[in-house]
Amino acid sequence: AQTVTQSQPEMSVQEAETVTLSCTYDTSESNYYLFWYKQPPSRQMILVIRQEAYKQQNATENRFSVNFQKAAKSFSLKISDSQLGDTAMYFCAFIHNNAGNMLTFGGGTRLMVKP
Amino acid sequence: DGGITQSPKYLFRKEGQNVTLSCEQNLNHDAMYWYRQDPGQGLRLIYYSQIVNDFQKGDIAEGYSVSREKKESFPLTVTSAQKNPTAFYLCASSGFQETQYFGPGTRLLVL
Repeated sequence: AQTVTQSQPEMSVQEAETVTLSCTYDTSESNYYLFWYKQPPSRQMILVIRQEAYKQQNATENRFSVNFQKAAKSFSLKISDSQLGDTAMYFCAFIHNNAGNMLTFGGGTRLMVKP
Repeated sequence: DGGITQSPKYLFRKEGQNVTLSCEQNLNHDAMYWYRQDPGQGLRLIYYSQIVNDFQKGDIAEGYSVSREKKESFPLTVTSAQKNPTAFYLCASSGFQETQYFGPGTRLLVL
């Protein structure tokens, strides 16, 4: 069975600073996808970034980037120049091609950006 | 606008009552999903459907039922057999690239 672990239940960062959220996963598959989703107070789940396991290059989306370490099964999210609007729950998620597109989610990290 | 809509935003269920949550998408996605989220927790899969007229149980399907008569629609019924239905329910859909996109959610409360 696939599992996703987020070891930091809560984090805080000062506005304009950089913060890194951790995620580890466990799988025996070689071909899979990893995601970070953001859930602001509105509770809508918003895709932040996606990484294909076969790609060695780390994905980036504006201020968001990942550090994907396939051998270590680690997938951390770095948020640069943090903004107040980044305050949200962040979920790491995993999917592999043989799972019928089913996402497995971590427990989430609550991020507070302080002014 | 392309996207996923869920209705209602809030839903109240009385004891012994079945209620249905609506999920519609106009993204032309083949696959659709229902998740349940309890306070302070992650999402758990209830049901999913990869094609019209076919669906599979997820991790917590007991007390729920679904149908997929149209590609655009995937309603979820919370039956009286679900003894603890109070939660936030999220619908998602995905196309061939596997990324799932979510609707705004429905909050279900028990009276």
